[in-house]
Amino acid sequence: EDQVTQSPEALRLQEGESSSLNCSYTVSGLRGLFWYRQDPGKGPEFLFTLYSAGEEKEKERLKATLTKKESFLHITAPKPEDSATYLCAVRSYGNNRLAFGKGNQVVVIP
Amino acid sequence: NAGVTQTPKFQVLKTGQSMTLQCAQDMNHNSMYWYRQDPGMGLRLIYYSASEGTTDKGEVPNGYNVSRLNKREFSLRLESAAPSQTSVYFCAGGTGEYSPLHFGNGTRLTVT
Repeated sequence: EDQVTQSPEALRLQEGESSSLNCSYTVSGLRGLFWYRQDPGKGPEFLFTLYSAGEEKEKERLKATLTKKESFLHITAPKPEDSATYLCAVRSYGNNRLAFGKGNQVVVIP
Repeated sequence: NAGVTQTPKFQVLKTGQSMTLQCAQDMNHNSMYWYRQDPGMGLRLIYYSASEGTTDKGEVPNGYNVSRLNKREFSLRLESAAPSQTSVYFCAGGTGEYSPLHFGNGTRLTVT
């Protein structure tokens, strides 16, 4: 069974204070790891897909990295608009579904 | 381009009542999914449809049924609602085995 654990559950940052979110996973064979952003009252919004260890993707202040056991979402010099819950999900070979972690709730204080 | 559209946005039911949650997509997704999201539990898969005409159970299927009406539409039915089904329900669609899922904005259901 695919498993995803995200830490920390909640994080408060000062504006400009960089930090990282962790997503540890266990799968029988990784087909893809996905990061989403979710704002209150909205559905998850797709950010990145990572397929193999060593891969990195960037978008504005966000950078996602992948190893064989975990992924990190680095937030560089965050702004208040980066406040959201960030969700990590994995898909394994032979599996149509995504298994999600419980999320990292990030609050950026001006 | 609407993406994934869910109706209704909000619903209150009494225990034992039935209802159908509707989902439609215009992104040509082959696969469609129903998840529920509860505080502290994350997103859990209820049912999914890998292609038109097929449906499969996810982690938490008890108390629910689904219909893949055509390629665009995937509905979720609660035959006899229970307070434990109070949740936010999300529909999602996907195109291929390496592609992400794209979500609607959810239906917030309260069962009293």
